[in-house]
Amino acid sequence: QSALTQPASVSGSPGQSITISCTGTSSDVGGYNYVSWYQQHPGKAPKLMIYDVSKRPSGVSNRFSGSKSGNTASLTISGLQAEDEADYYCCSYAGSSTFAVFGGGTKLTVL
Amino acid sequence: QVQLQESGPGLVKPSQTLSLTCTVSGGSISSGDYYWSWIRQPPGKGLEWIGYIYYSGSTYYNPSLKSRVTISVDTSKNQFSLKLSSVTAADTAVYYCARATYYDFWSGAFEWFDPWGQGTLVTVSS
Repeated sequence: QSALTQPASVSGSPGQSITISCTGTSSDVGGYNYVSWYQQHPGKAPKLMIYDVSKRPSGVSNRFSGSKSGNTASLTISGLQAEDEADYYCCSYAGSSTFAVFGGGTKLTVL
Repeated sequence: QVQLQESGPGLVKPSQTLSLTCTVSGGSISSGDYYWSWIRQPPGKGLEWIGYIYYSGSTYYNPSLKSRVTISVDTSKNQFSLKLSSVTAADTAVYYCARATYYDFWSGAFEWFDPWGQGTLVTVSS
């Protein structure tokens, strides 16, 4: 069982928006602004999409955005495209004993 | 542009020690700005952080794996390595190395993992 809870799957049609949630506790997501999101296509390494809750690395589309409220972080993808179909993982710093925790991953299907 | 590449045996027998190396190119592991990390992913499952190391040798491990894990660094070769002892079938996974940006070195606090290596599949089987 993963430390952070994500929905197993979400889906949307091209052009629509979807949101993936990532629920933790006050010891991880709620306690630090160090939540990151990763996109993983089949057979590929994860790719950083969002860091520090809501910041986008250079080269990542502005269709990807992140936010946090309390112990839950969220990744929103607007204007869904076929290429967005992938697995998405959240990750958070979890204090000086546990350090890093990941969510179980969410499979995004573009209908 | 920094790149990471994992290498090591793809098959390990149960009870033996898994050993992998990550070679860093395009940047120095001794730059002092990052932790160097190992993360794994069992087939069809999610990601699990194993641990990270600073170039000076300071290490931080996943508490659930700490008793079996050793991460070391060789700055002369611009490499860092993972050893996982007493492996079982549950340790079968794709193992990734990745660079972690930290915000507070003394607490082991990190912000994100980027970039990642391509990953290497290690199967534990007799």
